[in-house]
Amino acid sequence: KAGVTQTPRYLIKTRGQQVTLSCSPISGHRSVSWYQQTPGQGLQFLFEYFSETQRNKGNFPGRFSGRQFSNSRSEMNVSTLELGDSALYLCASSSGTGTGPQHFGDGTRLSIL
Amino acid sequence: AQSVTQPDIHITVSEGASLELRCNYSYGATPYLFWYVQSPGQGLQLLLKYFSGDTLVQGIKGFEAEFKRSQSSFNLRKPSVHWSDAAEYFCAVASSGNTGKLIFGQGTTLQVKP
Repeated sequence: KAGVTQTPRYLIKTRGQQVTLSCSPISGHRSVSWYQQTPGQGLQFLFEYFSETQRNKGNFPGRFSGRQFSNSRSEMNVSTLELGDSALYLCASSSGTGTGPQHFGDGTRLSIL
Repeated sequence: AQSVTQPDIHITVSEGASLELRCNYSYGATPYLFWYVQSPGQGLQLLLKYFSGDTLVQGIKGFEAEFKRSQSSFNLRKPSVHWSDAAEYFCAVASSGNTGKLIFGQGTTLQVKP
């Protein structure tokens, strides 16, 4: 069974631009969650999508948004990029029924110049 | 609010020695608890989880963890560490019935001496 796939693996952007990251969950998983990992703040929850609806949201500004498609694939968008948005963005999928653990992809490394 | 504390930022052990990584959580009800491991440049791999039942849970790679409600702890243990265990370890908590939102500790970096 294929794992969680995130694309691209690496991305370089400049301040003010916007970026879209993609995540394909494990087949059959309906929940996709996104996390930001930085050396200073650690792993922080961004949001969770289940059946194309945002089910949980973390404490991030509105510049961070996401969506989920009918095939459970998810995208995360960050607009008006700031230097502080440089991070490893991790996607995780789970069954969504509340009893399955999350399985993580290898992440997208975003660098802002 | 839920929170997770991993008191040890960095731990060094000799290969073959035993290991215990500490994790304390703050949560009003019975939480779902997890340990993940992250190697450099990679995502997180699930080592083990606790939802309910037996408080001693077994995971992959020879790891185990014990849930102690009275101490709000979920410490990770391994009897004999291998050089390949060097990595960063994260403890996480989720609300029971909703594993879609994980709250992570700050992580513990494990270094293994030959």
